Amino acid sequence: GDSVTQMEGPVTLSEEAFLTINCTYTATGYPSLFWYVQYPGEGLQLLLKATKADDKGSNKGFEATYRKETTSFHLEKGSVQVSDSAVYFCALTITGFQKLVFGTGTRLLVSP
Amino acid sequence: SAVISQKPSRDICQRGTSLTIQCQVDSQVTMMFWYRQQPGQSLTLIATANQGSEATYESGFVIDKFPISRPNLTFSTLTVSNMSPEDSSIYLCSVTGFEETQYFGPGTRLLVL
Repeated sequence: GDSVTQMEGPVTLSEEAFLTINCTYTATGYPSLFWYVQYPGEGLQLLLKATKADDKGSNKGFEATYRKETTSFHLEKGSVQVSDSAVYFCALTITGFQKLVFGTGTRLLVSP
Repeated sequence: SAVISQKPSRDICQRGTSLTIQCQVDSQVTMMFWYRQQPGQSLTLIATANQGSEATYESGFVIDKFPISRPNLTFSTLTVSNMSPEDSSIYLCSVTGFEETQYFGPGTRLLVL
């Protein structure tokens, strides 16, 4: 079945460090890929998305590129801030099915 | 994106009781979804709420435990019935927008004692 695998956390970084959170997927169809973020005590917010191979999603300094050849959608940010501390979820949905399949989530902790 | 609200935002309930969670959207949407997020875990889809027909449940979730209503295109409810401490979770509703992107409500934090 369709699945998403994320690197385990927590990821602990100092402010202004470079961030990578790895995400790989398995899908039988042609998925759209998403990153969602959950700040402490809040619901999920869409961070960015990509709907086809080689698309790059970006938002708030975060980027991720849909790599079909490596079935990956790694999240990157050049310089993290304390306010980026949250749990990040990678997810996919198969066109026409609308069901979201989530990874396990990766907690990011950024210290000053 | 749609604006989604949920009520209540949090609740503490006694085991054996039931709680109904409301989800309201500011625009008409075809598909609404209910998810559960157990403590420290990822999200699991409970069911898809269809307007005018019964909800479609995922494996491991049954209508008797999680009855869902969808009376119109902007509103849905999820009831957590005969609760036990294992039902302590965050319950989130979501809707589908442009390019099948799902947008989530703020969640309902449930603690069962």
